[in-house]
This record gives sequence, structure tokens and C-alpha cells, in this order.
Amino acid sequence: QKEVEQNSGPLSVPEGAIASLNCTYSDRGSQSFFWYRQYSGKSPELIMFIYSNGDKEDGRFTAQLNKASQYVSLLIRDSQPSDSATYLCAVKGVGNTGKLIFGQGTTLQVKP
Amino acid sequence: DADVTQTPRNRITKTGKRIMLECSQTKGHDRMYWYRQDPGLGLQLIYYSFDVKDINKGEISDGYSVSRQAQAKFSLSLESAIPNQTALYFCATSDQSGGSYNEQFFGPGTRLTVL
Repeated sequence: QKEVEQNSGPLSVPEGAIASLNCTYSDRGSQSFFWYRQYSGKSPELIMFIYSNGDKEDGRFTAQLNKASQYVSLLIRDSQPSDSATYLCAVKGVGNTGKLIFGQGTTLQVKP
Repeated sequence: DADVTQTPRNRITKTGKRIMLECSQTKGHDRMYWYRQDPGLGLQLIYYSFDVKDINKGEISDGYSVSRQAQAKFSLSLESAIPNQTALYFCATSDQSGGSYNEQFFGPGTRLTVL
């Protein structure tokens, strides 16, 4: 079992819809959870992080964390074609090592 | 100017050649990382460094070596390149603040092709 798992997709949604991206992790001691967006051929950029159970909202983005189920998700409301990218889930483990474990990424396609 | 820079941005080399990828940062961060990315595999950690005297292996260090020349510079070397090292390579940095939040900032990447 991979430490961080994502469905590689592609996930296709129509413009204006809600896109739901999911991620599971195996280390129950994981502390922090990150969502990076990566456009094709570009570097990853952080869009959300969360470390407490529940929801965290930032504009059109909502991150949801359920530590009991070892599950983190990203919701994108009012999806736009410019949201089309690969979304990487990353997990920081116990301690202050700074290391992140990345999932393989989910490709999102928003169709006009 | 970009906070994290990588050189070269693209490189084509031949099997058996030695190649060095360089990373520089102006963010003042102590921690630096090297990742490789293959299609459909996300980012895999090659090496990471917490300061100039602290170098650690990541998930896939075989065939690679690194040098932390200064706080701001972290180089990745392939001593004898092989075709399955063809990939996109990213350098990243983070600060050493404690606690849960530890964002990593990525350079623009180096696309390496080994023929």
C-alpha cells in the first residue's frame, strides 16, 4: 500500500460544477496535509494546507480532513477551465523533519 | 527574480555521462530538497538537507549524490547517467519553523533526458 494514495483520474467536470478530489494516507501519526496544484510542465504550487479535523475554506477551495478515516479531500466550487491541472496531495509525518510524502496526483479537466 | 532557481532548465545527455543539476534560493531557508517526477508517479524524494552539514537520503537516492555548498545552494549529481533517470527534477526549500505548517517552495524544474 502506498503511503499517500490518490485516484490518478482524469476527473472531468463541467464548468461551474464542484470538483471533489480525494486522498488517503497510511501513517496515522501524520500531522499536516497539503494540496498542491501543478500545471503541465510547471512546478507545484501550494493552494491549501490543513492540520485540524474538519473543513478549511479559502475562496473557492475547501479542504476537508478526517484523521480517524485517514482521509483528506479538496473541493473546488464553481470550477473554471483554468482549474484544469494535476492536484497533488502531500502529507507531513510525525516530527519536525519537514519531509512531505506526495501522492501520484489527480488530473482535473474542467470542460467549458 | 525567482526565489528558487534551477539550472539548467533542460538537458539532454548520453548514458554514462556525469551531470550536475544546480539549485539556488534567496528565501533564506535552511532546508532544501531534491525530487524527481515521472508521469503518473507524483514526486519522489531523492535527497534532503537541513543545513550545510546535514544531508539525508530520501526514497530513491541510488544513482544520485548531492552537495550542499552553502545555505543557498544544493546540487544534485548523476555520476553515470542511465536512461531510466530521464525525468523532471525539482528542487524545493522550506524553513525550519516548528509546528505543523511547513510549506515547501519549488523551483521551476529541470527536464533531463538521458539517451
